[in-house]
Amino acid sequence: EPEVTQTPSHQVTQMGQEVILRCVPISNHLYFYWYRQILGQKVEFLVSFYNNEISEKSEIFDDQFSVERPDGSNFTLKIRSTKLEDSAMYFCASSPRGGGNTEAFFGQGTRLTVV
Amino acid sequence: GQQVMQIPQYQHVQEGEDFTTYCNSSTTLSNIQWYKQRPGGHPVFLIQLVKSGEVKKQKRLTFQFGEAKKNSSLHITATQTTDVGTYFCAGPGEYGNKLVFGAGTILRVKS
Repeated sequence: EPEVTQTPSHQVTQMGQEVILRCVPISNHLYFYWYRQILGQKVEFLVSFYNNEISEKSEIFDDQFSVERPDGSNFTLKIRSTKLEDSAMYFCASSPRGGGNTEAFFGQGTRLTVV
Repeated sequence: GQQVMQIPQYQHVQEGEDFTTYCNSSTTLSNIQWYKQRPGGHPVFLIQLVKSGEVKKQKRLTFQFGEAKKNSSLHITATQTTDVGTYFCAGPGEYGNKLVFGAGTILRVKS
């Protein structure tokens, strides 16, 4: 069964450093997302991406965040200068159709720890 | 902004007992989805409800969508240890570009 894959599974970084989280969405999906989950809390939307551009972003997704689809398969989330409060599990997701109207397939997540 | 509320936050049941989680949206939804997240895992899609008053069953799980399409419930009959995890409801965001998740209900099952 096709799945969304994310790397790395765990990243530890120093405050102020840049991190890039990588995702390979399911190959025939057109819509891509990043969500995050602070330990024990709910899943929060960060950004959605379609047709090589951001379709929606949340208040969390400030200038420190960016997304890119550098080639036909990868989808990346960059945090330019990490803060302690960026520590969370980051989930990439993809769907064959738009946004909230169809099933989203989530990757296994990247646990980001900022120290 | 749009909110999706979910109760209870936490439920601890004896194996074999039933479990229900409730979801309420501040706005009418075109659909509602349910996801399960095992401890240490990622959200996995369970089901999508679209029609007003819709009821769907998956083995011991029964999902309902309210008549006004603002609330939903998930009921598990005779829980098993494999049911352990967090159950999230999620609805589409205002512009349809995202899912808005409820806070989730953590289910623990004592054997």
